[in-house]
Amino acid sequence: QVQLVESGGGVVQPGGSLRLSCAASGFTFSSYGMHWVRQAPGKGLEWVAFIRNDGSNKYYADSVKGRFTISRDNSKNTLYLQMNSLRAEDTAVYFCGKDAKYSSDYWGQGTLVTVSS
Amino acid sequence: QTVVTQEPSFSVSPGGTVTLTCGLSSGSVSTNYYPSWYQQTPGQAPRTLIYSTNTRSSGVPDRFSGSILGNKAALTITGAQADDESDYYCVLYMGSGTWVFGGGTKLTVL
Repeated sequence: QVQLVESGGGVVQPGGSLRLSCAASGFTFSSYGMHWVRQAPGKGLEWVAFIRNDGSNKYYADSVKGRFTISRDNSKNTLYLQMNSLRAEDTAVYFCGKDAKYSSDYWGQGTLVTVSS
Repeated sequence: QTVVTQEPSFSVSPGGTVTLTCGLSSGSVSTNYYPSWYQQTPGQAPRTLIYSTNTRSSGVPDRFSGSILGNKAALTITGAQADDESDYYCVLYMGSGTWVFGGGTKLTVL
C-alpha cells in the first residue's frame, strides 16, 4: 500500500533553514509527480510546491517562491523541501502528497515546523 | 489574485444529502480546473475523496460524488453519517503547475 512518511520538522529561529523529507513506498515513485502542502495552526490547507516525476519542472506558491526549493531523489524514493529564510508565518504542519491527475490521492501524516525565536 | 470560495459551514441531518460547492471569485469552475475534494478531521492528515472532478479515490464509498453544478464544482454526500462530520477542502488547478485551495467547509451532522 502507498505510504508517505514526512520527517525533518522542528523548531527553528526566524531567518533559519530546515530541510523536510518524505519517504515514499508502495508505488513506483519515479512515475509520479509530488506535492508539498501545509496547514498553519487552526487554518486551512495551502498548496506549497509541486515537482514532476523526473524533477524536470518545479512550481511554487508565491508565498514561498525564492525561499523554498522542492527536489527529489528517485534512487532513494524520497522527496525533499529545503526551506530557507523562514518566517513566523511558515509555521505549519507540512504534508507531502502523491500526484494523481492534477491532484493528490495519498498524503503523509505531516511534520510540524515551528518558526519562533 | 483569484480566490477559491467555499461555504464556511454547513449542516446536514443523519441520513440526509448535502452538496458543498467550490467556486471562483472571478469566473466559472470547469473540468479544466480538475477540482478535487479532501476530507480532514482535526489533527489528522487530509484524505482524498474526489479528484479530477468526479473520480473517487481508492476506498471512498460511492455516497461521495463530485460534479460541476452551474459555475461551481460540487461535492455531494448522500446518506450522511456521523463520521462525515469533518472539514472539507476543495483545490483547483490554476494552470502553470500551480494549485489553490479553498478555505474549507466545516460540516456538522446533527
